[in-house]
Amino acid sequence: AQSVAQPEDQVNVAEGNPLTVKCTYSVSGNPYLFWYVQYPNRGLQFLLKYITGDNLVKGSYGFEAEFNKSQTSFHLKKPSALVSDSALYFCAVTTRDNYGQNFVFGPGTRLSVLP
Amino acid sequence: DSGVTQTPKHLITATGQRVTLRCSPRSGDLSVYWYQQSLDQGLQFLIQYYNGEERAKGNILERFSAQQFPDLHSELNLSSLELGDSALYFCASSVTDSSYEQYFGPGTRLTVT
Repeated sequence: AQSVAQPEDQVNVAEGNPLTVKCTYSVSGNPYLFWYVQYPNRGLQFLLKYITGDNLVKGSYGFEAEFNKSQTSFHLKKPSALVSDSALYFCAVTTRDNYGQNFVFGPGTRLSVLP
Repeated sequence: DSGVTQTPKHLITATGQRVTLRCSPRSGDLSVYWYQQSLDQGLQFLIQYYNGEERAKGNILERFSAQQFPDLHSELNLSSLELGDSALYFCASSVTDSSYEQYFGPGTRLTVT
């Protein structure tokens, strides 16, 4: 069965500092990995995805993520955090063999960027 | 704005009742997904439809059912409601069933009293 772990419930970072939100996964087969962000009282917004190719994926709003197959990780990063990045971040996984695309989401990490 | 619409925004109902949540996907998207988000269980995939056909089932209870109509809008029916069904229900859509980028609607907040 597929699973996603986000080991930190909360991440606090000062504005202007780099940020990392961690994600590890477990799947059978090649993983397709995603990051979504949820602002208060809003639906999830797609940030970026890894399907194949370069391990470093660039996404929306200056975010990027690095796929590490040996460590089964897909950490989300940003070089310089903004207060407006404060939100709930979800990592998700599916696989090509999941014909119906049964997505599994992690529990979420709340990011707080302090001014 | 993702282009996915959901109605109603809020719904308050009593235990034992039945409700219907509606979702209209983005223009051109053929695939619709339903998710339940609650504090204790996080975001759970319920079911996916593609062009009117069921594609995948996740953690959907037997009391819940869904369908996708010829105009591609989808409805999620929840019956014999229990207090534990109180949650945010999200609909998402994507272009095809093999397209992995999903666009989420604003959600319907269901409160069962």
